[in-house]
Amino acid sequence: DVVMTQSPLSLPVTLGQPASISCRSSQSLVHKNGNTYLSWFHQRPGQSPRRLIYKVSNRDSGVPDRFSGSGSGTDFTLKISRVEAEDVGVYHCMQGTHWPALTFGGGTKVEIK
Amino acid sequence: QVQLVESGGGLVKPGGSLTLSCAASGFTFSDQYMTWIRQAPGKGLEWISFISGSSGDIYHADSVKGRFTISRDNSKNSLYLQMNNLRVEDTAMYFCVRPVDSSVPYWGQGTLVTVSS
Repeated sequence: DVVMTQSPLSLPVTLGQPASISCRSSQSLVHKNGNTYLSWFHQRPGQSPRRLIYKVSNRDSGVPDRFSGSGSGTDFTLKISRVEAEDVGVYHCMQGTHWPALTFGGGTKVEIK
Repeated sequence: QVQLVESGGGLVKPGGSLTLSCAASGFTFSDQYMTWIRQAPGKGLEWISFISGSSGDIYHADSVKGRFTISRDNSKNSLYLQMNNLRVEDTAMYFCVRPVDSSVPYWGQGTLVTVSS
């Protein structure tokens, strides 16, 4: 299975400041069809994950434009341009290229300093 | 809109069995792949089972293979997970999830399974 490794594990941030989360995969996430199926999710305590980003850099409907995804191959990043209080929680990356065995990163907990 | 509502979780002893259900609405259920994903307390997300719309393709993660069985009843717009020989390490929130284009945008609220003596 493809192993997804996120860093950091915990990310204390100041309101209004940027934040960045890294996600690395043990194999390339470029599918034979040319797409790269890397998604990002945000999960608040007691809630289901909510998808923010799909295919590396596409924002879901309703997701603020302060969230952006980038990367290629095995190296990906989620950036928050200016952290707001509602952004706290755990962020997960997920690969879907090696379907149906979806695999997730271990999660990054974002909290306000 | 897409709605996925899980039920059937609870407390069970090691070695016991449980069947989870997921009621789906807001889309043509029979056309869609479905999957179960779980999350142990304080841990990350783990994909465990996948089924195609016709039930012709079924996959299970190695961690549950031989113990868990995914199934569906398209006439009832329902997805199931039969869990046998449960272990303490199966304790988790179980989410019913609808995949789209190799991602998972639609999640239920989850049902909690606790395996403890």
